[in-house]
Amino acid sequence: DAGVIQSPRHEVTEMGQEVTLRCKPISGHNSLFWYRQTMMRGLELLIYFNNNVPIDDSGMPEDRFSAKMPNASFSTLKIQPSEPRDSAVYFCASSGIGELFFGEGSRLTVL
Amino acid sequence: GENVEQHPSTLSVQEGDSAVIKCTYSDSASNYFPWYKQELGKRPQLIIDIRSNVGEKKDQRIAVTLNKTAKHFSLHITETQPEDSAVYFCAASSSGGGADGLTFGKGTHLIIQP
Repeated sequence: DAGVIQSPRHEVTEMGQEVTLRCKPISGHNSLFWYRQTMMRGLELLIYFNNNVPIDDSGMPEDRFSAKMPNASFSTLKIQPSEPRDSAVYFCASSGIGELFFGEGSRLTVL
Repeated sequence: GENVEQHPSTLSVQEGDSAVIKCTYSDSASNYFPWYKQELGKRPQLIIDIRSNVGEKKDQRIAVTLNKTAKHFSLHITETQPEDSAVYFCAASSSGGGADGLTFGKGTHLIIQP
């Protein structure tokens, strides 16, 4: 298995633009997580899905953030409009019955 | 919700010495405690975990201890090597071993001095 696949790996955009991050979980995993990592706040859970259904989105910062999981093999995290304070590394992770497997991350820079 | 505190934020040790990283948690219902290692520019990866029915677990040079009464757990690395240099994260969850509801500590930057 190729592991959790994220795209893009790097994104530089201007304030106000829409950003879409994509994730393909490991086949057979039924839980998918979106995390944000910054120096100041560490690893923060934004939202997680179980069997494609959002279970806990209490970590989503505000209405500018939205996440979808239309099927078991794909998820998106969208930021609209983006702001400089959204600059971070966004990790997608998936798990089956235990260990959490992270993707390589998407480094977002909002100018 | 769960709150996980991790200390120290930075730890520098001489190659060959031992390193200890400590975490405390707030939710007495937490029963799963994994540790992740993140090398510079890479993804976090699980290195060891422990469940609440066990007090200690060892895997070669790394070990984790858990004190449920005091609500703290620690990572021990012996005979440190340059490749141990990384950021280490502890985490706690009450989901019985699943990844749901994991709360991470802020991380410890471990530096191995040659």
